[in-house]
Amino acid sequence: GQSLEQPSEVTAVEGAIVQINCTYQTSGFYGLSWYQQHDGGAPTFLSYNALDGLEETGRFSSFLSRSDSYGYLLLQELQMKDSASYFCALSGNTPLVFGKGTRLSVIA
Amino acid sequence: DGGITQSPKYLFRKEGQNVTLSCEQNLNHDAMYWYRQDPGQGLRLIYYSQIVNDFQKGDIAEGYSVSREKKESFPLTVTSAQKNPTAFYLCASSIQSWGSNQPQHFGDGTRLSIL
Repeated sequence: GQSLEQPSEVTAVEGAIVQINCTYQTSGFYGLSWYQQHDGGAPTFLSYNALDGLEETGRFSSFLSRSDSYGYLLLQELQMKDSASYFCALSGNTPLVFGKGTRLSVIA
Repeated sequence: DGGITQSPKYLFRKEGQNVTLSCEQNLNHDAMYWYRQDPGQGLRLIYYSQIVNDFQKGDIAEGYSVSREKKESFPLTVTSAQKNPTAFYLCASSIQSWGSNQPQHFGDGTRLSIL
């Protein structure tokens, strides 16, 4: 089967850097995605990693280590609007499998 | 602009009643999905469709039904057999249902409650 583990909650200070980790188990792996969801809203796609290493998109970066079955989302220069839930998701031989999400609270 | 439209935004169901949630997309995507989200929980897959006139059960299909008669439309019926239907329902689409980097585009969701 497939499964993902990520912390349920993270709190960080405005302007700081935060890392949200995700570990996974799967038999068929294509890549790891990240989605953001504000309260009551629709999830939106943030990033995708198929190969080991860091992918940077503005203030957000995502990292993957296939040998460790591990990835993380790095958010820099945190802003209040970054308060949201963040989901990692597995791409494989089935539709995306989502983790349970990490609720990020950005405080002043 | 291309996107996914879900309606209604809020829906109330009486005991023993079937209700249908609408999902329409104009992204020309082959694959469509229905997810259920409970408070503080992730997205659980109810049904998905890879192509017109075909659909597959997801992890929590019991008490739900779908149809895919048109590429643009993937309605979800919550039947009376679903004893705990109160949740946030999200529809999504992607170019393909599996493989490398198939980002899903989501609608704004329907919040279903029991009367």
